[in-house]
Amino acid sequence: SYVLTQPPSVSVAPGKTARITCGGNNIGSKSVHWYQQKPGQAPVLVIYYDSDRPSGIPERFSGSNSGNTATLTISRVEAGDEADYYCQVWDSSSDQAGVFGGGTKLTVL
Amino acid sequence: EVQLVESGGGLVQPGGSLRLSCAASGFTVSSNYMSWVRQAPGKGLEWVSVIYSGGSTYYADSVKGRFTISRDNSKNTLYLQMNSLRAEDTAVYYCARVRGVALGWWFDPWGQGTLVTVSS
Repeated sequence: SYVLTQPPSVSVAPGKTARITCGGNNIGSKSVHWYQQKPGQAPVLVIYYDSDRPSGIPERFSGSNSGNTATLTISRVEAGDEADYYCQVWDSSSDQAGVFGGGTKLTVL
Repeated sequence: EVQLVESGGGLVQPGGSLRLSCAASGFTVSSNYMSWVRQAPGKGLEWVSVIYSGGSTYYADSVKGRFTISRDNSKNTLYLQMNSLRAEDTAVYYCARVRGVALGWWFDPWGQGTLVTVSS
C-alpha cells in the first residue's frame, strides 16, 4: 500500500513562513490534498489538487508537488494557524483506498 | 449550505455492533461518492470506506468483512454498520463527501464526528 510520510512537528515564529512536507514514492504523479485540524474539531480542506484553494481559505496557504515530495506552505503565519495538518492522496492501485499522512503539528512560537 | 451531521456513536462491548448515521443537507448523497474516515484518540486520520454514486463499495483492510457502508436515498443519509467491534476500532468517525473524482479524490466537507468506544 502507498505510504505518505510527514514530519511530526514544525515550529515557526509569527509572520514567518512554514513549510510542511509530505513524502511518497513518485508523489508528483498523484494529486495531493491538505487538511487543517484544530483540537476538538473536524478536519477542514485547505488545499486540493496540489495547489488549489477552496473558497474561504486565505491566500497565505499554498501547495506544490513534484518528484517524491509535496509541500504545504503557509506564509505570514498567524497564531490561529496552529493546528495539525494532514496530506492525503487517493491510491487507485490499492482497491480504491484513501491514504493519509501521519500528520504534522504546526506550533506557532 | 452543505452540511453533514453524524450520530449513533457510543460505548459498545468488544464483539458488539453499532450503526452510525450521517445526515446530509444541501446536496444529494446518492449523486455523490461518500466516505467514512476515523481518528483514534490522539492519532492521525484513517480512511475506512467509500460508496460510489453507482453503489459500489470499498473498505480499508482493517475493517473489511466487519463494516458495511450504505445509504438511504429517501432520507439522504449515509450509514456505517459496524460488527465484530474491537478495541482498536475506538475512534471518532467522520463522514465526508468525496470530491474531484476525476482529478484525484479529496474529502469536503466533513461532519463533526461521532465517538465510538469499544470497551468492556
